[in-house]
Amino acid sequence: AQKVTQAQTEISVVEKEDVTLDCVYETRDTTYYLFWYKQPPSGELVFLIRRNSFDEQNEISGRYSWNFQKSTSSFNFTITASQVVDSAVYFCALSSYNTDKLIFGTGTRLQVFP
Amino acid sequence: EAQVTQNPRYLITVTGKKLTVTCSQNMNHEYMSWYRQDPGLGLRQIYYSMNVEVTDKGDVPEGYKVSRKEKRNFPLILESPSPNQTSLYFCASSLDSLNEKLFFGSGTQLSVL
Repeated sequence: AQKVTQAQTEISVVEKEDVTLDCVYETRDTTYYLFWYKQPPSGELVFLIRRNSFDEQNEISGRYSWNFQKSTSSFNFTITASQVVDSAVYFCALSSYNTDKLIFGTGTRLQVFP
Repeated sequence: EAQVTQNPRYLITVTGKKLTVTCSQNMNHEYMSWYRQDPGLGLRQIYYSMNVEVTDKGDVPEGYKVSRKEKRNFPLILESPSPNQTSLYFCASSLDSLNEKLFFGSGTQLSVL
């Protein structure tokens, strides 16, 4: 069975702090995809990144970076020098070729205070 | 502008009164799906469609129906809504599968009294 665990329900930080959002996944498939989506207070869901299971290279996009480690089944998301605009709920998700399921974690609410 | 349009944004109804939430995308996407978001449960897939006239159940399909008669439209139908279907609903589409980036609609907050 596939599963995504985001153990951090809520994180509060002060602006300019670095923060890491954890995502641990379970799957028996060898070909799978991992995603992060952002849901700001306005409610819409915004795609941030997709990573396939054969590409363990870390990715950096501005202040955002992602650390994919198959050995620990984790796909963690770090925001460097957080800003108030980063306040949102962040969802990690998992899909694979062998199932027709896209499984979301329960989300982590990040609050960045000025 | 490429987008997924979902209507209505807010809906209050009573138990048993049939309703439809519409979803339309203008990106010629093959794959469309519906999710519900509930506190503490994240997003759960209701139904999805890989192409016109092809639909399948997600994790929580009970009490819902969908149809995909045209590529751009994927309405969600609640034949007899019940209070446990009070939730935030999202329609999403992607180029050709759930392994691609999803584009989401703006959501429909449904309250069933």
